[in-house]
Amino acid sequence: SAVISQKPSRDICQRGTSLTIQCQVDSQVTMMFWYRQQPGQSLTLIATANQGSEATYESGFVIDKFPISRPNLTFSTLTVSNMSPEDSSIYLCSVGTSGNTGELFFGEGSRLTVL
Amino acid sequence: SQQGEEDPQALSIQEGENATMNCSYKTSINNLQWYRQNSGRGLVHLILIRSNEREKHSGRLRVTLDTSKKSSSLLITASRAADTASYFCATDPRRGKLTFGTGTRLTIIP
Repeated sequence: SAVISQKPSRDICQRGTSLTIQCQVDSQVTMMFWYRQQPGQSLTLIATANQGSEATYESGFVIDKFPISRPNLTFSTLTVSNMSPEDSSIYLCSVGTSGNTGELFFGEGSRLTVL
Repeated sequence: SQQGEEDPQALSIQEGENATMNCSYKTSINNLQWYRQNSGRGLVHLILIRSNEREKHSGRLRVTLDTSKKSSSLLITASRAADTASYFCATDPRRGKLTFGTGTRLTIIP
């Protein structure tokens, strides 16, 4: 298992600003993902955070809007850039540990409200 | 896009009753997983069933998988108020990347 800490847990942001979300894991993990959950919806994968290289983005998500860093095996950041009200969502960091069969562990999420 | 569709979207039952949620998916899978989410917080992994398994139990949870119908069900027996949450199925059409279903909001009435 893995314990994941996300910061901030929630924030209210102004349109046009950017916010960086941090994800810290208590152990080294091979796989780290960022998901978005829009109000009342399911989770959508934004990207896979790759250690030491550029993130791999899913269709519909681009680096300019959601830049991601992963400097080591325990830490990653997701920035939501130039925010609009449509970016109001819960952003979730999740990790998969080596040797497991595919289950993911999730942080508590960062609830962003854009005014 | 969503890989899984769940039904019902919402379910309310009396405490002590059993709750059944269904999940249908579109592509072949390595495994199917169920997660619980309390009030918009992080997700908690409940149970994983491999594509070559048909049924699995964990405490009050029973999961079935029918790969021929591309469907799964989650049964929670003897429900409790603490079971109130949203439940999501998730599949892994690509190794390590889960695709989540639409979710079922379960409310247990004391």
